[in-house]
Amino acid sequence: KAGVTQTPRYLIKTRGQQVTLSCSPISGHRSVSWYQQTPGQGLQFLFEYFSETQRNKGNFPGRFSGRQFSNSRSEMNVSTLELGDSALYLCASGVGRDTDTQYFGPGTRLTVL
Amino acid sequence: DQQVKQNSPSLSVQEGRISILNCDYTNSMFDYFLWYKKYPAEGPTFLISISSIKDKNEDGRFTVFLNKSAKHLSLHIVPSQPGDSAVYFCAATGNQFYFGTGTSLTVIP
Repeated sequence: KAGVTQTPRYLIKTRGQQVTLSCSPISGHRSVSWYQQTPGQGLQFLFEYFSETQRNKGNFPGRFSGRQFSNSRSEMNVSTLELGDSALYLCASGVGRDTDTQYFGPGTRLTVL
Repeated sequence: DQQVKQNSPSLSVQEGRISILNCDYTNSMFDYFLWYKKYPAEGPTFLISISSIKDKNEDGRFTVFLNKSAKHLSLHIVPSQPGDSAVYFCAATGNQFYFGTGTSLTVIP
């Protein structure tokens, strides 16, 4: 089975721009979660989508948004980029049960200049 | 508010010895716990998990222990190998996944 894929792997943007990241989950997985990883901060939860609906949301500003399509693929959008948005953005998929194991993609490294 | 904490940012161990990574959590409603391993420039890889109804789960060289009364989780790696050098994250699930800040393990040959 193919793993979680994320595109693009690397991205450089400037302040004020917007960016869209894409995630394709493992086949059969209906849950997709997004995380931001910055040095010393661990993995900060952004949001989770399940069957095209946002099921949970972390404490991030409204500039961060996402969506999930009927094939479970998900996109994350960040508008009006700030320098502090530079991070590794990770996507994880799971079947969507309460006691679930999430499987991560390789991440998208976003650099904001 | 960090609900899952890994208080040791780094750990160094000699090859062949035991590595013990620790994790504490605050929410007694968490019912499933996981450990992930992460190499630089890669996404975390699932390592081992434990349900709250158990106090130990073993998989080869990796054993996870859960002490619910102390709200404490630990990962034991025996024997440690240089390839185990990575950042280890513990995670707990409630309505979402909560991750610790990670412990960087270095296994010295």
